Amino acid sequence: KAGVTQTPRYLIKTRGQQVTLSCSPISGHRSVSWYQQTPGQGLQFLFEYFSETQRNKGNFPGRFSGRQFSNSRSEMNVSTLELGDSALYLCASRQAPSTDTQYFGPGTRLTVL
Amino acid sequence: AQSVAQPEDQVNVAEGNPLTVKCTYSVSGNPYLFWYVQYPNRGLQFLLKYITGDNLVKGSYGFEAEFNKSQTSFHLKKPSALVSDSALYFCAVRDGSGGYNKLIFGAGTRLAVHP
Repeated sequence: KAGVTQTPRYLIKTRGQQVTLSCSPISGHRSVSWYQQTPGQGLQFLFEYFSETQRNKGNFPGRFSGRQFSNSRSEMNVSTLELGDSALYLCASRQAPSTDTQYFGPGTRLTVL
Repeated sequence: AQSVAQPEDQVNVAEGNPLTVKCTYSVSGNPYLFWYVQYPNRGLQFLLKYITGDNLVKGSYGFEAEFNKSQTSFHLKKPSALVSDSALYFCAVRDGSGGYNKLIFGAGTRLAVHP
């Protein structure tokens, strides 16, 4: 079974721009979560989507948003990029929000100049 | 609030020696604990989890973890380290507050296995 895939793997943007990241979960997994990883803050939960609905949201500004499609694929959008948004963005999937184990994709490395 | 702590930024081990990566937790209720490993330029790979049952949990790649309720610890162990085990290791706890279910991660411990 194919794992979680994320595109693109690397992205370079400038301040003020917006960016969209994509995540395809493991087949049969309907829940997708997003995490931000930075050297200073570590791994932080952004949000989770299930059945095209945001179920849970971390402590991030409204510039960070997401959505989920009917095939469970998810996108994450960051508007008005700031230098501090430079990070590895990880997507994780699981069968349902009640399932404990999450499986992570390789991440998208975003660099904001 | 649920939290985990990894007291060591880095652990150095000689190849062939046993390794231990430490994790302590603070939770209300029963802890659901996880270990993940991250290799350079890769995402997190699931190693093992403790939900309930035996205090010694066996996982992938020969790793195991010992759950100790009295010491609120969940240390990751391997009897004989390999150079290829060198990576960043994360301990995590499930946060089920508010009826949701997300992971709270520790800061990570870098494991360096020397030939």
